[in-house]
Amino acid sequence: AQSVSQHNHHVILSEAASLELGCNYSYGGTVNLFWYVQYPGQHLQLLLKYFSGDPLVKGIKGFEAEFIKSKFSFNLRKPSVQWSDTAEYFCAVNGEGGGNKLTFGTGTQLKVEL
Amino acid sequence: EAGVAQSPRYKIIEKRQSVAFWCNPISGHATLYWYQQILGQGPKLLIQFQNNGVVDDSQLPKDRFSAERLKGVDSTLKIQPAKLEDSAVYLCASSLTLYSGNTIYFGEGSWLTVV
Repeated sequence: AQSVSQHNHHVILSEAASLELGCNYSYGGTVNLFWYVQYPGQHLQLLLKYFSGDPLVKGIKGFEAEFIKSKFSFNLRKPSVQWSDTAEYFCAVNGEGGGNKLTFGTGTQLKVEL
Repeated sequence: EAGVAQSPRYKIIEKRQSVAFWCNPISGHATLYWYQQILGQGPKLLIQFQNNGVVDDSQLPKDRFSAERLKGVDSTLKIQPAKLEDSAVYLCASSLTLYSGNTIYFGEGSWLTVV
């Protein structure tokens, strides 16, 4: 069965620091990859997604992610974080069995300090 | 555009009691999902509907959980009897179709505490 690993459970950064959150998946077939964000008190929202083409995907609010097929990775990056980026970030994959069913990682709690 | 609506937002029940959660998806979305998110874990798919039919319920504990989407719009998820380990956030989500290119939109969730 497909699975997703997020290595950093809690990350604390100062404003303007650079961010990279790791995500690895296990599934040998064709996959679609996603990053969702959940701001405090809000619902899960799509940050960005990769289906095919350019492995460097740009999303909302200055986030980007790079798909490296050989490493089964889809790491999330942002060059300079803001206090408002404080949130929980989830990596997800669909592919196995089709039907638009997401398998999520355990999430990374990001806290950005002023 | 209105989002996915869920109710109630919070519920506390005793073990062995029953509870029901309601979901209204985004208008026109044929596919509806129920996910369970236990504290410290990512959401896990419980059941997926396409219109009023079940597509995948392989991870639904059918001895205590049931879900329906009778008219292909609103959905209800029921737990009876509840166990302590059912304490979680129950997320409803919807997408336009089953196509994997369709974005899945999530509701704010229904928080369940079983004591």
